[in-house]
Amino acid sequence: RKEVEQDPGPFNVPEGATVAFNCTYSNSASQSFFWYRQDCRKEPKLLMSVYSSGNEDGRFTAQLNRASQYISLLIRDSKLSDSATYLCVVNPSWSNTGKLIFGQGTTLQVKP
Amino acid sequence: DTGVSQNPRHKITKRGQNVTFRCDPISEHNRLYWYRQTLGQGPEFLTYFQNEAQLEKSRLLSDRFSAERPKGSFSTLEIQRTEQGDSAMYLCASSLGVQSTDTQYFGPGTRLTVL
Repeated sequence: RKEVEQDPGPFNVPEGATVAFNCTYSNSASQSFFWYRQDCRKEPKLLMSVYSSGNEDGRFTAQLNRASQYISLLIRDSKLSDSATYLCVVNPSWSNTGKLIFGQGTTLQVKP
Repeated sequence: DTGVSQNPRHKITKRGQNVTFRCDPISEHNRLYWYRQTLGQGPEFLTYFQNEAQLEKSRLLSDRFSAERPKGSFSTLEIQRTEQGDSAMYLCASSLGVQSTDTQYFGPGTRLTVL
């Protein structure tokens, strides 16, 4: 079983739609969680950290469910510019290194 | 540009050759990470440095791979006797501090193609 699992998609949605991505992680002791965005043939960039209380940044909302070991990302009012791959990322607590464990990524294509 | 830089951006080599990549982190960032990414997959951790000390290496890093960060600034990743399976994007990242929540900033990567 992969340490971080995501549905690779692709998710094809029209502009203005709301879309949600989910991710599960295997190690219950994991402490830090993130969503990164990666455009085609570019480097990953931090989209947002994910906190236990949930957090929102504009049109983006991230949620963490520790009991189910589940992380989600909700994008409201999708824009064409949101088209990218969204990587679910975990920092396992057994490691003090800060190394990141990435999911496979979920591809989003927003169409006009 | 004060971001993470990597050179070269692309490298094509023949199987069996040695290659070396360079990463320049953001100034004053203590931690430097190397990841590898293949098509359709997320990045996979290879190794990391805190200042000049290499503190962890992944099992993915075979003995053909070696990384250094001699003065705690730039880092090099060398692959000896390259194999076709080494073809991937090699990403470098840096972070300022030592907390697991510190943001890692990635460079543009070096795309390696082994023929």
